[in-house]
Amino acid sequence: NAGVTQTPKFQVLKTGQSMTLQCAQDMNHEYMSWYRQDPGMGLRLIHYSVGAGITDQGEVPNGYNVSRSTTEDFPLRLLSAAPSQTSVYFCATHAGTSGSYEQFFGPGTRLTVL
Amino acid sequence: GENVEQHPSTLSVQEGDSAVIKCTYSDSASNYFPWYKQELGKRPQLIIDIRSNVGEKKDQRIAVTLNKTAKHFSLHITETQPEDSAVYFCAASGMDAGNMLTFGGGTRLMVKP
Repeated sequence: NAGVTQTPKFQVLKTGQSMTLQCAQDMNHEYMSWYRQDPGMGLRLIHYSVGAGITDQGEVPNGYNVSRSTTEDFPLRLLSAAPSQTSVYFCATHAGTSGSYEQFFGPGTRLTVL
Repeated sequence: GENVEQHPSTLSVQEGDSAVIKCTYSDSASNYFPWYKQELGKRPQLIIDIRSNVGEKKDQRIAVTLNKTAKHFSLHITETQPEDSAVYFCAASGMDAGNMLTFGGGTRLMVKP
């Protein structure tokens, strides 16, 4: 099992460009989420999903869109990249209230916006 | 929403000493409190967690204590080793927001040989 995978590992964008960060899991978890981690700080929740077709905003959702068409995939879209979005992005999954609360993180995507 | 504060931000100990990291949370409805270890350039890795119906949990050299009344929880590492050097994050979650985590700001632990 691959667990949680993310692509790309690194990305450099120019201000105003758009892109999609991919996240996939083969753990059959209902709950998926995106966090960002700025240097020297803890992770902050961007968006999350409690199942296919259901998404909701986290603490810092502005500038990002998500969708959840399948259990396995939860892409994060940057609509118009800004330097303030330079960060490391982690996708995570967990089984939710029907199972363990333990969250499993992907390897991260390091994004730089110039 | 939930707010988690973590102290200290940096901690330096001698190998073999104990290390204690403390966190406070604001939402009395939070019921799950994990601790993560993150090495440079890596993803956070769960090292221990505790649910609100338990006051203490231990796993070898690592223990976590929870005081629900005071809304604080602590990580205790005994007999520290150089490989314990990393950034440690506490977090809290509850039934709201899909059991998603609110993280503390992190503690950089340095274990000197």
